[in-house]
Amino acid sequence: QKEVEQNSGPLSVPEGAIASLNCTYSDRGSQSFFWYRQYSGKSPELIMFIYSNGDKEDGRFTAQLNKASQYVSLLIRDSQPSDSATYLCAVNSNSGYALNFGKGTSLLVTP
Amino acid sequence: EPEVTQTPSHQVTQMGQEVILRCVPISNHLYFYWYRQILGQKVEFLVSFYNNEISEKSEIFDDQFSVERPDGSNFTLKIRSTKLEDSAMYFCASSEAWGGNQPQHFGDGTRLSIL
Repeated sequence: QKEVEQNSGPLSVPEGAIASLNCTYSDRGSQSFFWYRQYSGKSPELIMFIYSNGDKEDGRFTAQLNKASQYVSLLIRDSQPSDSATYLCAVNSNSGYALNFGKGTSLLVTP
Repeated sequence: EPEVTQTPSHQVTQMGQEVILRCVPISNHLYFYWYRQILGQKVEFLVSFYNNEISEKSEIFDDQFSVERPDGSNFTLKIRSTKLEDSAMYFCASSEAWGGNQPQHFGDGTRLSIL
């Protein structure tokens, strides 16, 4: 069973702080890793993806990947109340088309 | 920005009835997907579709389900005889190609309610 694990939260951070969201995965064959944001009752919205070890930055967001530890994280700098949502980690392997999602981490940014 | 379009936004159907959910993927995308999300649960993969055939399907995608690309723009999911447990949000997604640097973009979803 290929698992993607996330802490369900809620993770509460004050406005302007850095939010750190973590994800672990069980399939060592996993090749690419995606972070989606999902507001309540809405669809997943792609934030960014990463497939090489190390850091990838896009604006206020940084994705970090460590394949040896089977760990991927998302940092949100200068968190805003509008960042309050559930953040979904998704993983797909080189052999498959499917995205395997974690249950998501609920983030609450307080003014 | 191009987007995946799904219709209807909400479908209410009696148990045992057939339902068809419709999607228009992003125009230059070649890979299409259906996912579902039961209320309070994680997003689950159903099926992927490329070059007019299923490329991968999950255990959820049993004989009750089928997909079709009836023309050059639409991609449909049919559930033949709906059950109460089919109640969920159904998301269509598409990607330009297949591979690690080809993200899947999701539509707004269809909320399916089975009575």
